[in-house]
Amino acid sequence: DAGVIQSPRHEVTEMGQEVTLRCKPISGHNSLFWYRQTMMRGLELLIYFNNNVPIDDSGMPEDRFSAKMPNASFSTLKIQPSEPRDSAVYFCASSFQGADEQYFGPGTRLTVT
Amino acid sequence: AQSVSQHNHHVILSEAASLELGCNYSYGGTVNLFWYVQYPGQHLQLLLKYFSGDPLVKGIKGFEAEFIKSKFSFNLRKPSVQWSDTAEYFCAVSNKGSNDYKLSFGAGTTVTVRA
Repeated sequence: DAGVIQSPRHEVTEMGQEVTLRCKPISGHNSLFWYRQTMMRGLELLIYFNNNVPIDDSGMPEDRFSAKMPNASFSTLKIQPSEPRDSAVYFCASSFQGADEQYFGPGTRLTVT
Repeated sequence: AQSVSQHNHHVILSEAASLELGCNYSYGGTVNLFWYVQYPGQHLQLLLKYFSGDPLVKGIKGFEAEFIKSKFSFNLRKPSVQWSDTAEYFCAVSNKGSNDYKLSFGAGTTVTVRA
């Protein structure tokens, strides 16, 4: 199994630009989670999906952030427009049956200058 | 809402020393408990988990954790650490048997093992 796949692994962009992060969960998993990790705030849950449906987006910082899951094998996290304070490592994780253990992807390190 | 508290922010110890990391959670219901490890520059990996049964759980790489329900604790232990155990360790909790699939993570404990 290839595990959770995220792309890109690194992204450097200028303030104001649109950023799209991508995630492919483990095949057969029906829950998908987006996290953000920073030194200041640690690991934060942004949003999670169950069976492709967003269940809780209360962790999304503001309207500049949006996430979609058009099918069981693909999700995107979009930031538009990006700001320097969005710089962080963004992890995607998936699990089978929701509350079971989550498998994390390698993360996308985002730097907004 | 549940919260997870990890007692130590940074632990420094020598190889062969014993390690214990504290984790307490606040939630009145039944929970699933996890310890994840994040090696430098890598993603989070599961060390061990507790769902039910024997409260002493053994995980990978010689780690174990004990669930003490009365204390709302799930402390992680390793009798003899190695330099390769240098990493950040996260305790996490999820609600059992509900539609809330969120994992609540603690702030993490950075462990530095000196050779």
